[in-house]
Amino acid sequence: EIVLTQSPATLSLSPGERATLSCRASQSVSNYLAWYQHKPGQAPRLLISNASNRATGIPGRFSGSGSRTDFTLTISSLEPEDSAVYYCQQRSSSWTFGQGTKVEI
Amino acid sequence: EVQLLESGGGLVQPGGSLRLSCAASGFTFSTYGMGWVRQAPGKGLEWVSALNRGGETTYYADSVKGRFTISRDNSQNKLFLQMNSLRAEDTATYYCAKEGGHSLPFDHWGQGTLVTVSS
Repeated sequence: EIVLTQSPATLSLSPGERATLSCRASQSVSNYLAWYQHKPGQAPRLLISNASNRATGIPGRFSGSGSRTDFTLTISSLEPEDSAVYYCQQRSSSWTFGQGTKVEI
Repeated sequence: EVQLLESGGGLVQPGGSLRLSCAASGFTFSTYGMGWVRQAPGKGLEWVSALNRGGETTYYADSVKGRFTISRDNSQNKLFLQMNSLRAEDTATYYCAKEGGHSLPFDHWGQGTLVTVSS
């Protein structure tokens, strides 16, 4: 089973600052890595697929990078509505999620 | 507009059974793989099960293998999750999710249905 490890667990930043979230895979997932945003009481929202492709309707301040085992989600300039838990997920071998990074603004 | 509406959650005793349903609309249901993802209270997202567009190939997390069965009815645009031998640790909000395509992530999700396993 491929394990995804996200860091940090919590990120506390101010509006306008840059957020950098990390996801590390226990073995290569090629570029089969996605990022989701999840707010309490809401459905998770796909942000990034295939490591770097923004999903439909996702603002340009969200970007993804990386390949094989190391991936990054960057939020270039935080907005108050970006407060949420962010998960990475691999689709290379079965499906697994990271444990999440909580972003507090 | 893609819509996924889960139903069937509720309170069940340990060892009991429950069947979740997910009604899909706004897309050609039979051409996409589907899955279930859950979130236990205070925990993160956990993939539970998935199946291909025809329903012939199914996948399960080790934590539910042998107890849960995923299925679909393409004529009714519905996804199901039959849950047997339920345990306290199965307590969670269960989300129905649509794949974006072969080997692509879940691009649309339902609002979830809560399953509570307790005596």
